[in-house]
Amino acid sequence: GIQVEQSPPDLILQEGANSTLRCNFSDSVNNLQWFHQNPWGQLINLFYIPSGTKQNGRLSATTVATERYSLLYISSSQTTDSGVYFCAVEDNYGQNFVFGPGTRLSVLP
Amino acid sequence: DADVTQTPRNRITKTGKRIMLECSQTKGHDRMYWYRQDPGLGLRLIYYSFDVKDINKGEISDGYSVSRQAQAKFSLSLESAIPNQTALYFCATSTPGGSLSGANVLTFGAGSRLTVL
Repeated sequence: GIQVEQSPPDLILQEGANSTLRCNFSDSVNNLQWFHQNPWGQLINLFYIPSGTKQNGRLSATTVATERYSLLYISSSQTTDSGVYFCAVEDNYGQNFVFGPGTRLSVLP
Repeated sequence: DADVTQTPRNRITKTGKRIMLECSQTKGHDRMYWYRQDPGLGLRLIYYSFDVKDINKGEISDGYSVSRQAQAKFSLSLESAIPNQTALYFCATSTPGGSLSGANVLTFGAGSRLTVL
């Protein structure tokens, strides 16, 4: 089945810094999503981005489908950005979403 | 009210007990999923259902069973809980075309934290 990797596994930033999180996947996909899990455990959908670039405030994401990777950019980070960021891809049968192991982000005040 | 509601939010139980986690949704989505989260492992799929008469095993279905009682309800059961089933469990829903983009976008419940002693 499709494999999903994320890097780095852990990231510590000072408030105001920028960061880039990466998601690599092993096969072509039609559906890729980024999620943020806050410190209380809630999973929030950030982007649906199977290809191209999207922006939402301080967050943006780019997926290069032909090269099988996606990037999540966080600019001017805030302490509320802390948590775990997951990417998930839908398998080619449309049956299942496969999640990466996540990147744990800690933003220090 | 939340679009996807999970109950209970927290549960502590003993080895060998039967446990049911319940999920209900008001989004009108066809597809429902149960995932398990363990530290450092991301989310792994336990079972999924595309409609009331459709039940499918996921990556880690052993030791679990599910019931899709209605389009809006999907419950997960542990017939005889064991300590390595201690985890955070998430219910999610989706439907192709269910989002503004027309994509199959996942919406998660708040999670059910289960501890098996």
